[in-house]
Amino acid sequence: QSVVTQPPSASGTPGQRVTISCSGGSSNIGINTVNWYQQLPGTAPKLLINSKNQRPSGVPDRFSGSKSGTLASLAISGLRSEDEADYYCAVWDDSLNGPVFGGGTKLTVL
Amino acid sequence: QVYLVQSGAEVKKPGASVTVSCKASGYTFTYYAIHWVRQAPGQRLEWMGWINTANGNTKYSQRFQGRVTITRDTSANTAYMELASLTSEDRAVYYCARDDREALDFWGQGTLVTVSS
Repeated sequence: QSVVTQPPSASGTPGQRVTISCSGGSSNIGINTVNWYQQLPGTAPKLLINSKNQRPSGVPDRFSGSKSGTLASLAISGLRSEDEADYYCAVWDDSLNGPVFGGGTKLTVL
Repeated sequence: QVYLVQSGAEVKKPGASVTVSCKASGYTFTYYAIHWVRQAPGQRLEWMGWINTANGNTKYSQRFQGRVTITRDTSANTAYMELASLTSEDRAVYYCARDDREALDFWGQGTLVTVSS
């Protein structure tokens, strides 16, 4: 079973910069690009960052993604109260032949 | 504007099957694959499978192989996900999502499936 790991929680104060990590392996993050999704309570996930590290229309440039080896990161700068949500990384896994999601990180804006 | 509209909540008995539909609008249905992802209460998103809407080819997660069937009706711009032999462990919100080859860029609103005797 392929596993992609995120910290269960993260927090920051308004205006701060927060980073959420996503750790995988050689069959997923090591060779494929990572997507990031935001899920507000009771709603469907929303795409934040695609495989080309692009943001869909309407996603502010405060959100950015990066990757090094088998570790990917989502950075949120200028933290706002409306950023409080669950964040999921997702990556294609060659052994699964499908996408695998991280466990999600609950972001709290203090 | 792209929309994926799913069918409503379902309550099923253990051992039964459930079918969830996903009607697409605002784009050419056969240009994009559709994936199905589920989320049990308090759990991570879990990929179930996907369908090439142009030719009907499918790929399923090994975890659901033999229990899940994904189909599509191109005349109705609708994809379907059928899950058989339901147990209480299948209680979850089921989502369909469009694959633009870079990500799952649009998602349905989700369908809650409850399994209860």
